[in-house]
Amino acid sequence: ELKVEQNPLFLSMQEGKNYTIYCNYSTTSDRLYWYRQDPGKSLESLFVLLSNGAVKQEGRLMASLDTKARLSTLHITAAVHDLSATYFCAVDIHFQGGSEKLVFGKGTKLTVNP
Amino acid sequence: DGGITQSPKYLFRKEGQNVTLSCEQNLNHDAMYWYRQDPGQGLRLIYYSQIVNDFQKGDIAEGYSVSREKKESFPLTVTSAQKNPTAFYLCASSSKSGTGAKNIQYFGAGTRLSVL
Repeated sequence: ELKVEQNPLFLSMQEGKNYTIYCNYSTTSDRLYWYRQDPGKSLESLFVLLSNGAVKQEGRLMASLDTKARLSTLHITAAVHDLSATYFCAVDIHFQGGSEKLVFGKGTKLTVNP
Repeated sequence: DGGITQSPKYLFRKEGQNVTLSCEQNLNHDAMYWYRQDPGQGLRLIYYSQIVNDFQKGDIAEGYSVSREKKESFPLTVTSAQKNPTAFYLCASSSKSGTGAKNIQYFGAGTRLSVL
């Protein structure tokens, strides 16, 4: 059974600081997703990482994927308050017959303090 | 506007009652999904459907039922057999995947279900 582990689960950081969120998964997958969720809201897609070595950047967030290590990172640069949210990684798994599903990590709740 | 519409936003269930959560999408997506989210937890898959008239159980299907009679619609019924239904329910959809396809799942705004 595929397991997806994020750490840390809670992260409190000061504005202007850098930090990295880690996402480890237990079986082979060729697609990894990062989502953002604001309190009481739905999930918003941030990044899709499709291959080993993939790196995507949007503003102060940068995501990378190492399929050999089964590890993805979400790096936050010079954090600002607006980045406060819960961040989820999700891994795509395929079944015989063509069906597939996402398995989500438990999420990292990020709080950026002034 | 293309998107996924979930209704109602809030729902209250009495003990022994079945309730149905609506999910409609106009993105022309083939695949649709239902997730349950509990406080401080990730998303857990309840049911998913890759095509019309077909669906599969996810990781926590017990106490739930679905139908997929139309491409646009994937309603979820929370039955009286689900003893702990209080949670935030999210519906998602995605286009059919293929090699190299992104297969991003797009989410509705969610339904918050509580037990009276």
